[in-house]
Amino acid sequence: QLVLTQSPSASASLGASVKLTCTLSNGLSTYAIAWHQVQPEKGPRYLLKINSDGSHTKGDGIPDRISGSTSGADRYLTISSLQSEDEADYYCQTWGPGIHYVFGTGTKVTVL
Amino acid sequence: EVQLVESGGGLVQPGRSLRLSCVTSGFTFDDYALHWVRQAPGKGLEWVSSITWDSVTVHYADSVKGRFTISRDNAKKSLFLQMNSLRAEDTAFYYCARDPDRFSTSYYFDNWGRGTLVSVSS
Repeated sequence: QLVLTQSPSASASLGASVKLTCTLSNGLSTYAIAWHQVQPEKGPRYLLKINSDGSHTKGDGIPDRISGSTSGADRYLTISSLQSEDEADYYCQTWGPGIHYVFGTGTKVTVL
Repeated sequence: EVQLVESGGGLVQPGRSLRLSCVTSGFTFDDYALHWVRQAPGKGLEWVSSITWDSVTVHYADSVKGRFTISRDNAKKSLFLQMNSLRAEDTAFYYCARDPDRFSTSYYFDNWGRGTLVSVSS
């Protein structure tokens, strides 16, 4: 079974950095994932896709202070120079044969 | 600029039907796979259904299989979701989303709409 594990919450001060983790289940370390942001009262927004080798493809208009990385079965999203607009829920998402699309449970980011 | 605008949501009684629409602009509609994803109040994102660029292949989440039907009209640049036998657990914001690559399915979403709210209640 393909499961994505995320911490329910994370927080950091305005201007600081926060690193979110998405862990692929059962050692599925070769899978790529995508990160999506959901802000209150807005639709989701695609941030970037991370491959198992750490290479990533960003969405249009996503600033340089948002980046992705990988280590084994973990996929990371780092937001630097935190702004109030970064306060949102962040979901990782992957896909697999016969499984189609799986989302993580989401991490709520609070900007202090 | 890629735009996806959903409509058709509303309050409906259990067992009834509703049809959602997603009108698009800013890209060559015919070339891309499209998807429906939903989010129940206070819950996470859940993929619902997908349709390939050529309408040859469709997929559904187990939770909606047999009740929902996805379709597209390339002339109208629109995506649809026919929802029958609605249940309280179908209450959610429904989002239209686009696949990133032309003439294929890349299994993630690079553009999203703002959603339409479906409430199923008696």
